[in-house]
Amino acid sequence: EVQLVESGGGLVQPGGSLRLSCAASGFTFSTYWMHWVRQAPGKGLEWVANINQDGSERYYVDSAKGRFIISRDNAKNSLYLQMDSLRVEDTAVYYCVRAIAVTDSYWGQGTLVTVSS
Amino acid sequence: QSVLTQPPSVSAAPGQKVTISCSGSSSNIGNNFVSWYQHLPGTAPKLLIYDNNKRPSGIPDRFSGSKSGTSATLGITGLQTGEEADYYCGAWDGSLSAFVFGTGTKVTVL
Repeated sequence: EVQLVESGGGLVQPGGSLRLSCAASGFTFSTYWMHWVRQAPGKGLEWVANINQDGSERYYVDSAKGRFIISRDNAKNSLYLQMDSLRVEDTAVYYCVRAIAVTDSYWGQGTLVTVSS
Repeated sequence: QSVLTQPPSVSAAPGQKVTISCSGSSSNIGNNFVSWYQHLPGTAPKLLIYDNNKRPSGIPDRFSGSKSGTSATLGITGLQTGEEADYYCGAWDGSLSAFVFGTGTKVTVL
């Protein structure tokens, strides 16, 4: 059974940092592009970043460039999102997603990040 | 701000049909595949359509997708009460080097 389990969310002050993790199981993690997608309260879905199979390609939404870093450890079947210089507007549920737009796309249940003083 | 525009809401009675439009540009829909997602309250989003008009395994053929130029459409026939949800289109944007979602459409079953 495919599973994507996000962790690392929580309450952080503006300007602070958090590292999200996504533990993957039930499939060959190293063969998939992986993504982070978020949804702020009352807002729509927003793609945040993605990374290719070996980590050599990474792309980010403009608002994340220079602040967030997506990475992966294929030996640990894990995806990460290091988030620095957090802003109030980064408050959202963050989803880990396998292969966002192909037949075997799969989404985790999400982890809540709240940026507030 | 999303570069893909959808109507905020559509509604229909059970068993009826709804269509949801998604308008973009040549940098996204015009030159890349479109996908569609269903986001039921309290659950993770789910892929409904990929590559403009293909359905993943398990998605009923009541869901269909099409694309023409820089616009795409999701159709749902035989609407069911359990399909009240938010629906989003998505596509890669070559100019932004980013995946972009539509603004989202809330489907209400009357």
